[in-house]
Amino acid sequence: QKEVEQDPGPLSVPEGAIVSLNCTYSNSAFQYFMWYRQYSRKGPELLMYTYSSGNKEDGRFTAQVDKSSKYISLFIRDSQPSDSATYLCAMNDYKLSFGAGTTVTVRA
Amino acid sequence: NAGVTQTPKFQVLKTGQSMTLQCAQDMNHNSMYWYRQDPGMGLRLIYYSASEGTTDKGEVPNGYNVSRLNKREFSLRLESAAPSQTSVYFCASSDLAGGSYNEQFFGPGTRLTVL
Repeated sequence: QKEVEQDPGPLSVPEGAIVSLNCTYSNSAFQYFMWYRQYSRKGPELLMYTYSSGNKEDGRFTAQVDKSSKYISLFIRDSQPSDSATYLCAMNDYKLSFGAGTTVTVRA
Repeated sequence: NAGVTQTPKFQVLKTGQSMTLQCAQDMNHNSMYWYRQDPGMGLRLIYYSASEGTTDKGEVPNGYNVSRLNKREFSLRLESAAPSQTSVYFCASSDLAGGSYNEQFFGPGTRLTVL
């Protein structure tokens, strides 16, 4: 079993919809939880990070962590075509462990 | 300030050939990493270097070697390429090795095909 599980999708939504992405993990030592965004044929870039359990909001993006369930989520409100990308969850103890990534397409 | 640069961007090899992927960062980061990305598998760590002069194996090190040439540069070598090594390779760097918030900055990737 992988340390981090993420449904690869793909996910296609109309512009303005809420996008919901999630990951589960098995290693209870993880403390930092991150979401990276990767545009086609580019390297990943950090979108948001959260320490331990709780919510964090940044504009249209909200990250949630539930350590008791070993479950993290990313919500994108009022999605735009420019949000079309692959979203990778990542979490670390001494190294980063990545999920497989979910490819999202926002249709205009 | 170029961030993380990788060369080459594309490469086609025949089975058994060797090559070195180059990576450099100009952010004065201590730690550097090599990943491969395959469809449905996400990013998998090949090797990392927590600081200049040290290297450690990651999740999938077989068939690869690395050299931390100096603080800026970290190269990945395929001694005898195999079709299973067809992938996109990313180099990354970060300020800290781990155990805390550890934003990694990624290069643009090298797309390698082994025939």
